[in-house]
Amino acid sequence: DVKVTQSSRYLVKRTGEKVFLECVQDMDHENMFWYRQDPGLGLRLIYFSYDVKMKEKGDIPEGYSVSREKKERFSLILESASTNQTSMYLCASSPAGRSGNTIYFGEGSWLTVV
Amino acid sequence: KQEVTQIPAALSVPEGENLVLNCSFTDSAIYNLQWFRQDPGKGLTSLLLIQSSQREQTSGRLNASLDKSSGRSTLYIAASQPGDSATYLCAVGLWNFNKFYFGSGTKLNVKP
Repeated sequence: DVKVTQSSRYLVKRTGEKVFLECVQDMDHENMFWYRQDPGLGLRLIYFSYDVKMKEKGDIPEGYSVSREKKERFSLILESASTNQTSMYLCASSPAGRSGNTIYFGEGSWLTVV
Repeated sequence: KQEVTQIPAALSVPEGENLVLNCSFTDSAIYNLQWFRQDPGKGLTSLLLIQSSQREQTSGRLNASLDKSSGRSTLYIAASQPGDSATYLCAVGLWNFNKFYFGSGTKLNVKP
């Protein structure tokens, strides 16, 4: 069965800390995504990656960076966490190609910055 | 930029009722449209995927339709059950299939 795994479900971090959110997929998908989800705002794309070491900014990349050293793993990094980054973070993956892609999501990581 | 809107934001119905959730999008140049279900505190699960060349897709009690020209999609749920209570989100995929735009969702409560 398709699986996207986010290693941390709940985190509490202090303002200014460096935060790593890890995501692993087992489907050999080319595309991987990081979204954040906030009430009333829906899902907003932070970054996506279409291949190893390749990345593109989404709609809200400020304050975030990403790393994709291996195909199955996509990490989101908050260089210096701030309270306005308190949110639910969702990782997702999808296959390349125009064959009618669906997108698979992980269970989410709840981050609270205090 | 593509904007996706879902109305209503919340809906409460008695068990057994048939219901329709709405999704509208501003740019009709989409590649596909998906409906997802999200349970509280969880990730999204894909329910139905409609390609831009299709008009509808069905899975069990769910039927999704797509009218690209008017920028609308509906998700029809037949004979609703308490287990259907969740938030339902729609997302449009663009020709650049790395991009998906999501609505804010409709929170459905089916009362026993």
